[in-house]
Amino acid sequence: GAVVSQHPSRVICKSGTSVKIECRSLDFQATTMFWYRQFPKQSLMLMATSNEGSKATYEQGVEKDKFLINHASLTLSTLTVTSAHPEDSSFYICSVLDPTSGVTYEQYFGPGTRLTVT
Amino acid sequence: RKEVEQDPGPFNVPEGATVAFNCTYSNSASQSFFWYRQDCRKEPKLLMSVYSSGNEDGRFTAQLNRASQYISLLIRDSKLSDSATYLCVVKLQAGTALIFGKGTTLSVSS
Repeated sequence: GAVVSQHPSRVICKSGTSVKIECRSLDFQATTMFWYRQFPKQSLMLMATSNEGSKATYEQGVEKDKFLINHASLTLSTLTVTSAHPEDSSFYICSVLDPTSGVTYEQYFGPGTRLTVT
Repeated sequence: RKEVEQDPGPFNVPEGATVAFNCTYSNSASQSFFWYRQDCRKEPKLLMSVYSSGNEDGRFTAQLNRASQYISLLIRDSKLSDSATYLCVVKLQAGTALIFGKGTTLSVSS
């Protein structure tokens, strides 16, 4: 069964609105989750590392005030795209680091959220 | 220079063909290496890890050359269901995020 869920799977919103995407770890408690973004025909690019109980670490070029990350519990991280614009249209995917996998530190991906901003 | 580079393809092959994908990575400190498979509009799924000694999983063989920072994936006896994008992925150290290549698209036809 699924290890990681994301909601919603697809969202269409108008320019200027905010969109919240949820990432849930279903099988284990996760202190670390990652948020990626994938534009068409491009690679997955890490946006930020979400740590439970502390501030997220953002990659260079990712605006932390625009992409708000809240890792409120050991099973839930949320990404809010504030004041979305058409150029934010993308496939957003979270992954969860399995703390029980020992030295392999396995990661499991959510099914992704396709955001379209009109 | 991109951290992980792959030939984007597409590779169009008939069923039963053998196809090889190559990948290079820029950071010599990278510790872990993987091939992921991504179907259209879906999340990536782990195909196999790649070890220095080379490893095989059924029709799939992966090789790693740390000296030349080169990773390969060989698919034998291609099936229609192998059609997908294959992502070369590296990780700097345990617990850090994965670094993805752009992917190589494979299309297997009957």
